[in-house]
Amino acid sequence: EADIYQTPRYLVIGTGKKITLECSQTMGHDKMYWYQQDPGMELHLIHYSYGVNSTEKGDLSSESTVSRIRTEHFPLTLESARPSHTSQYLCASRGLIVGGEENYGYTFGSGTRLTVV
Amino acid sequence: SQQGEEDPQALSIQEGENATMNCSYKTSINNLQWYRQNSGRGLVHLILIRSNEREKHSGRLRVTLDTSKKSSSLLITASRAADTASYFCATALGQKLVFGQGTRLTINP
Repeated sequence: EADIYQTPRYLVIGTGKKITLECSQTMGHDKMYWYQQDPGMELHLIHYSYGVNSTEKGDLSSESTVSRIRTEHFPLTLESARPSHTSQYLCASRGLIVGGEENYGYTFGSGTRLTVV
Repeated sequence: SQQGEEDPQALSIQEGENATMNCSYKTSINNLQWYRQNSGRGLVHLILIRSNEREKHSGRLRVTLDTSKKSSSLLITASRAADTASYFCATALGQKLVFGQGTRLTINP
């Protein structure tokens, strides 16, 4: 069972609202990622973090912002939601060392399905 | 696609048959990973193969990697209904993981 949690699971909001999607992990992983995925499509990296106070934009331009004040917490914020933001948002993390070896596999949360009306 | 492309896009087989999915990528890699995604859920890491490996097994999964052709394949043997999901290959570019478009696998009872 994954130790990375995303809330809410589903969210329907009106245009112009400010929202924050929560992502928390209990594994002490330093690297965390946000991906955006439309139904049946590939994942696009929108933000990532290598540790506390580190945030970088990903390959897909996004109007969202992120913060990393604590190792375990990596929230994503949309200041003014629009229908074009309707999508699934997936959070993932990766730890450096597992069992004495470098770990490359990502652990994903269950995702937040966002609908902006 | 950014880096990886899966083939076929969709595959439907009978329970008990083997399923093979292919992935091609464009640049040099450190490793290639396969993930499974059940409908509307997050991804689950299945298996990783390093660039200096040619084949790897994990239970009913067999992954091959051909760096000269920049391609990988995932074989699921003796498929089960629970294997119905989307399967993604992902390649590591530096510290980031780049995903392909996925193969939608349906196992018919």
